[in-house]
Amino acid sequence: DIQMTQSPSSVSASVGDRVTITCRASQGFSTWLAWYQQKPGRAPKLLIYDASSLHSGVPSRFSGSGSGTDFTLTISSLQPEDFGTYYCQQSSSFPRTFGQGTKVEVK
Amino acid sequence: EVQLVESGGGLVQPGRSLRLSCAGSGFTFADNAISWVRQAPGEGLEWVGLIRSQTYGGTIQYAASVRRRFTISRDDSKSIAYLQMDSLKTEDTAVYYCNRNFGNYFDSWGQGTLVTVSS
Repeated sequence: DIQMTQSPSSVSASVGDRVTITCRASQGFSTWLAWYQQKPGRAPKLLIYDASSLHSGVPSRFSGSGSGTDFTLTISSLQPEDFGTYYCQQSSSFPRTFGQGTKVEVK
Repeated sequence: EVQLVESGGGLVQPGRSLRLSCAGSGFTFADNAISWVRQAPGEGLEWVGLIRSQTYGGTIQYAASVRRRFTISRDDSKSIAYLQMDSLKTEDTAVYYCNRNFGNYFDSWGQGTLVTVSS
């Protein structure tokens, strides 16, 4: 199985700050990676797929990059509504696996 | 509007069975693979399994933790997918989400249904 490791586990930042979350895979797989946002008590939402493609309706302040084993989600200017937990997920092989999550708090 | 609605969750004793349903609307259900993902209380996301569309043979993949205990199926005439869970364990306690596959990713999710396995 491919293990996905996210860092940091949590981050607290102010409105307008640039926030970066990283995801490292235990083995390389090109760009078969997605990022999801989950708010408490809600289902996750797809933000980014294929490592860098913005899903429909997702604000352009979200961006993704990377390939192989190292991936990054960037929020260019943090907004109050961006609080929640962010997960990376690989779709290179079965079983699909998620990172452990990064909790984002807006100060 | 794409919608997925899970149902069938509840409290069940260890070793017993439960069947979850996932009803889709607002899209051509038969054209899409459907996945199940679960989330234990206070924990992260765990992929459970996937059933492909009939176009791709309706084949199924499972996580090792549920293989031989859980069975995924679909009835495209009703736009419903099912998760049959047998021999339930306390560690199966979680919110279970179904979702529509967008290529290899999960783009539309249901609201989730809570399964509690406890004596």
